[in-house]
Amino acid sequence: DAGVTQSPTHLIKTRGQHVTLRCSPISGHKSVSWYQQVLGQGPQFIFQYYEKEERGRGNFPDRFSARQFPNYSSELNVNALLLGDSALYLCASSLAGGPYGVSLHFGNGTRLTVT
Amino acid sequence: AQTVTQSQPEMSVQEAETVTLSCTYDTSESNYYLFWYKQPPSRQMILVIRQEAYKQQNATENRFSVNFQKAAKSFSLKISDSQLGDTAMYFCAFMKGETSGSRLTFGEGTQLTVNP
Repeated sequence: DAGVTQSPTHLIKTRGQHVTLRCSPISGHKSVSWYQQVLGQGPQFIFQYYEKEERGRGNFPDRFSARQFPNYSSELNVNALLLGDSALYLCASSLAGGPYGVSLHFGNGTRLTVT
Repeated sequence: AQTVTQSQPEMSVQEAETVTLSCTYDTSESNYYLFWYKQPPSRQMILVIRQEAYKQQNATENRFSVNFQKAAKSFSLKISDSQLGDTAMYFCAFMKGETSGSRLTFGEGTQLTVNP
């Protein structure tokens, strides 16, 4: 079975541009979460979506937005990119939200570099 | 808000020996989960072991075991018979046991190197 897949693998953008990152969860998983991992730090929670509804949002500015599609795949959008947005963006999926979804399965991430 | 602290930025161990990674956390929640994740250079975050706070028995997964001290809010990971493939960044993480949402709060990580 395919794991969590993220695209693209690497991305280089210029300050002020917009970026869209994509995530396909494991088949049957209905919850998708996004995390930002700056080099040398632990991942920080950005969003969680379950059944296409936002279930949680971390301490990130409104430049960050996300959505989940009927097939449970998800997009993370970041507008007006700043140098500080350079990071590894991780997507994780789980069977469900809440305690039944405690076992998160992560993708390999998208490495975003903002110049 | 929950916090997770890993006080050992780097550790090393000889192959076949045992190593313990430390983690402390702070929360006012009574129902929660604790995790150890491994992140090798491939970048994928891999679940190593999970502990439910309501369980007194320490979780064990093959060579990996935890020492969960709820009163002290401590959650250490012991790796026995260390292997070269265990070399990775290890993250301790916390999740509230709420009915909606599955947000992980991670520590800063411990880079473990297993030497031949």
